[in-house]
Amino acid sequence: SQTIHQWPATLVQPVGSPLSLECTVEGTSNPNLYWYRQAAGRGLQLLFYSVGIGQISSEVPQNLSASRPQDRQFILSSKKLLLSDSGFYLCAWSVRDRGYFGEGSWLTVV
Amino acid sequence: SQQGEEDPQALSIQEGENATMNCSYKTSINNLQWYRQNSGRGLVHLILIRSNEREKHSGRLRVTLDTSKKSSSLLITASRAADTASYFCALTSGTYKYIFGTGTRLKVLA
Repeated sequence: SQTIHQWPATLVQPVGSPLSLECTVEGTSNPNLYWYRQAAGRGLQLLFYSVGIGQISSEVPQNLSASRPQDRQFILSSKKLLLSDSGFYLCAWSVRDRGYFGEGSWLTVV
Repeated sequence: SQQGEEDPQALSIQEGENATMNCSYKTSINNLQWYRQNSGRGLVHLILIRSNEREKHSGRLRVTLDTSKKSSSLLITASRAADTASYFCALTSGTYKYIFGTGTRLKVLA
């Protein structure tokens, strides 16, 4: 069966520090992959999506970047975090229309 | 904007009552999906309805889609306290992107 792993689950980072969130998918090939951010009590904002290795589409200009070094691996990064980067980050994948989400990563920038 | 807009933003009902949430959108769609999110967790896929479908059922869930009005509704019958969560609609419209609405926070009182 297909599963999605996202880590770390929580992290507290100082302003200006780097960020790396990782997501891997098992049990499927060539999935579409997504990174979303959710502010407290709000909806989901699409940050990046990828339809293949090395193919990244950015939805929101900001200090975040994404990479897909392998078919089932999606990484969200930042060189220097801002306070406004705090939030709940969700990785997702889809095949044939239906989306599957990881459990999310809570990021607090202090 | 492609974003779906859920209505109401918050809903509080008694256990056993029915809960209805609505989603409106502005563009043509391939399909529309409903997701559920428990507080601080990832999203769980509930049901998908394609643009050529008008109604779908899954257990206590009933989804309708009116493409002429660009709206969808999610009905949860005989609600339970465990249904307390946020519910989101998500649109896909000719791209690989899932665009989420702002969500309805449902609280079912025991």
